[in-house]
Amino acid sequence: GQNIDQPTEMTATEGAIVQINCTYQTSGFNGLFWYQQHAGEAPTFLSYNVLDGLEEKGRFSSFLSRSKGYSYLLLKELQMKDSASYLCAVRDSNYQLIWGAGTKLIIKP
Amino acid sequence: GAVVSQHPSRVICKSGTSVKIECRSLDFQATTMFWYRQFPKQSLMLMATSNEGSKATYEQGVEKDKFLINHASLTLSTLTVTSAHPEDSSFYICSARDLRKEYEQYFGPGTRLTVT
Repeated sequence: GQNIDQPTEMTATEGAIVQINCTYQTSGFNGLFWYQQHAGEAPTFLSYNVLDGLEEKGRFSSFLSRSKGYSYLLLKELQMKDSASYLCAVRDSNYQLIWGAGTKLIIKP
Repeated sequence: GAVVSQHPSRVICKSGTSVKIECRSLDFQATTMFWYRQFPKQSLMLMATSNEGSKATYEQGVEKDKFLINHASLTLSTLTVTSAHPEDSSFYICSARDLRKEYEQYFGPGTRLTVT
């Protein structure tokens, strides 16, 4: 079966760095996505990785290792507004998005 | 960036009635649209995939006669929840894919449905 695992909840301090991990087992791979979702709102696109390595975009970076079925989202200089759920999703061989359950990130002052 | 709108943003209806949710791509043509449902504290669940001009493909366990999807144009898809029941209360989110930007799906803001 297809499976995406990410931690349920994480807590970090304002101004610090946090890494959210995602491991996946899917039928085929056509890219991995990270989305941010605030409570009661739809997801917003953060990043896309299809090749191994690190993609940096401002305070957010995303890393992919296809051989290990592993990705992480790195958030630097955390701000209170970063409190949200972070969803990892993998596009499979049918170009369907397979979603993780999301990681709720709590930022403390 | 690409914008997807949904209407209404919130709707409350009585059990047994039907509700229609519209999803529009505002500045691009969406050859494929997706409908998701999200229950509290759970991840998104894909309900169906619709391609313009053809019948929607429903995920296993989703009743196609209850959740009617129409994708009549390249910018509009509708989801009709027929004979709604309280257990249909959920957050419904559409997303659209523009083949010119093959890797992104653009999400609508979602519709909060409450069935009383």
